[in-house]
Amino acid sequence: QITLKESGPTLVKPTQTLTLTCTFSGFSLSTSGVGVGWIRQPPGKALEWLALIYWDDDKRYGPSLKSRLTITKDTSKNQVVLTMTNMDPVDTATYYCAHRRLWTGTFGSDFDYWGQGTLVTVSS
Amino acid sequence: DIQMTQSPSSLSASVGDRVTITCRASQSISSYLNWYQQKPGKAPNLLIYAASSLQSGVPSRFSGSGSGTDFTLTISSLQPEDFATYYCQQTYSTLSFGQGTRLEIK
Repeated sequence: QITLKESGPTLVKPTQTLTLTCTFSGFSLSTSGVGVGWIRQPPGKALEWLALIYWDDDKRYGPSLKSRLTITKDTSKNQVVLTMTNMDPVDTATYYCAHRRLWTGTFGSDFDYWGQGTLVTVSS
Repeated sequence: DIQMTQSPSSLSASVGDRVTITCRASQSISSYLNWYQQKPGKAPNLLIYAASSLQSGVPSRFSGSGSGTDFTLTISSLQPEDFATYYCQQTYSTLSFGQGTRLEIK
């Protein structure tokens, strides 16, 4: 059974750096094809993909926030960490991590398991 | 970057109705298209992957079709638990989601 859970601060100040941790179980990030992604959702708005890290430590970032994001993994701890620099009130959102499933025989994928999400508010 | 446009943005329907939601990609994405359902305060839930494959555990009243740039999600007979927001997502290149379609009770 795959589970994921996000953790981190609920409140950060403008200009600070946000660090979020995704702790997962039921799969290994050393297994070929596996990945963990981060997605966020401002209140009342749409989903926005942020970053993805693969089993081989390859990393991908969404274009709009690429310069502010860093994603890393600790395979031994079953954790993925996302850092976002220079936080602004517009970054107030629920942040989700999700398991990336690779489809057999193609490079297609989906997010088949999600964490419950963590609401981060940016305010002074 | 590939833009995903959903229509309509919101939709009112009744229990038992057949509902179709459309997602259009700004360029061809083959069948690299997923659909998610999200209920208030909950994480998204995968319904359809690879444009037309039903995710395990998802009721068969949900179906997906399309390839290239135009895709549809169909709910054959709306149930009370289906009133939610639906998102499409492409995984052909840099991942992106549509803006969502809110399905409300008429």
